[in-house]
Amino acid sequence: QKEVEQDPGPLSVPEGAIVSLNCTYSNSAFQYFMWYRQYSRKGPELLMYTYSSGNKEDGRFTAQVDKSSKYISLFIRDSQPSDSATYLCAIGVRTYKYIFGTGTRLKVLA
Amino acid sequence: DSGVTQTPKHLITATGQRVTLRCSPRSGDLSVYWYQQSLDQGLQFLIQYYNGEERAKGNILERFSAQQFPDLHSELNLSSLELGDSALYFCASSGPGQGQDTQYFGPGTRLTVL
Repeated sequence: QKEVEQDPGPLSVPEGAIVSLNCTYSNSAFQYFMWYRQYSRKGPELLMYTYSSGNKEDGRFTAQVDKSSKYISLFIRDSQPSDSATYLCAIGVRTYKYIFGTGTRLKVLA
Repeated sequence: DSGVTQTPKHLITATGQRVTLRCSPRSGDLSVYWYQQSLDQGLQFLIQYYNGEERAKGNILERFSAQQFPDLHSELNLSSLELGDSALYFCASSGPGQGQDTQYFGPGTRLTVL
């Protein structure tokens, strides 16, 4: 079993839809959680960063962490074609080492 | 723009050759991380340096090595290249403390081994 699992997609949604992206992890010691967005042929760009269970909101993005279920989600409200990208979760311990999910490809159709 | 720069953007070379990838971290960041991203493996952590010293190793091959210089830029050296080394190589930085976890990625170097 991989330490971090992420559905690779692709996920296609119409413009304006609510998108839910998810990752599961196996190690309960993980306590830092990040979401990155990566456009084609570009470097990953940090979207959200959290270390506690619950929700964290930033504009149209909401990160949700459920440590008891070892499950994290990223919700995108009112999705736009410009949101079309690959979304990577990154999960790890404090000091240095994050494990990245393989990424979910999202396509928002105009 | 994350503030992390990487050169070159593209590199095409032959099997058996050696290449050097360069990374300059964001101003003030002391940690540099190297990652390899291929289609089938996703983003794989290779190695981390903090203020010139190796801090952590991931799935880095013995043919690969890295260093961080006093001015904090870092280089990743890849030798005896194989076809399977073709990938995107990303550098990320964080800092200034050792416990700073938010990593900012550069634009990457696309390596093609023929």
